Amino acid sequence: KAGVTQTPRYLIKTRGQQVTLSCSPISGHRSVSWYQQTPGQGLQFLFEYFSETQRNKGNFPGRFSGRQFSNSRSEMNVSTLELGDSALYLCASRSSGPRTAYNEQFFGPGTRLTVL
Amino acid sequence: AQSVSQHNHHVILSEAASLELGCNYSYGGTVNLFWYVQYPGQHLQLLLKYFSGDPLVKGIKGFEAEFIKSKFSFNLRKPSVQWSDTAEYFCAVNTNYGGSQGNLIFGKGTKLSVKP
Repeated sequence: KAGVTQTPRYLIKTRGQQVTLSCSPISGHRSVSWYQQTPGQGLQFLFEYFSETQRNKGNFPGRFSGRQFSNSRSEMNVSTLELGDSALYLCASRSSGPRTAYNEQFFGPGTRLTVL
Repeated sequence: AQSVSQHNHHVILSEAASLELGCNYSYGGTVNLFWYVQYPGQHLQLLLKYFSGDPLVKGIKGFEAEFIKSKFSFNLRKPSVQWSDTAEYFCAVNTNYGGSQGNLIFGKGTKLSVKP
């Protein structure tokens, strides 16, 4: 099976712009989660989507949003970019059954976003 | 709120030395525990996980971890490290219940450098 793929791998934006990142999960996986990784804060959970619905959300401002399509592909959007949004954004997918917490999350390579 | 603490930011060892990386979590309920590894330029990968049962769990590449409930700890060990173990190691927890079910909460990571 192909792994989780993320596009683009690298992005450079300027303050005030918006950006959209894309994630394709492993085939058959219906849950997609997004994490932000920075040197200062480490890995922080952004949100999770399952069957096109946001199931969980972390503690991030409303500038961070996402969506999931019927084929389970997911996008996240950051509007009005700030310098502090520079980070590696990781997507993870998992199969999702009744025992969600037991299902391993598989991570993609990430999108490196630099905000100038 | 749940949190995960990793005691060492950067550990430097010589090949064949023994490794122990500390991880403590704060959550009074039932948790699932994970160690992930991020090799330079690669995806986050699962090393091992604990859900229940034997508190000593074995993972890939000779790693093991011990869950000590009374200490809220889940330390990672390896008897003899190799240069190829140079990577960043993340401890993570999730819970089986509530709105945040299944979302991973990560520690800030420990960088391991193994000198040949």
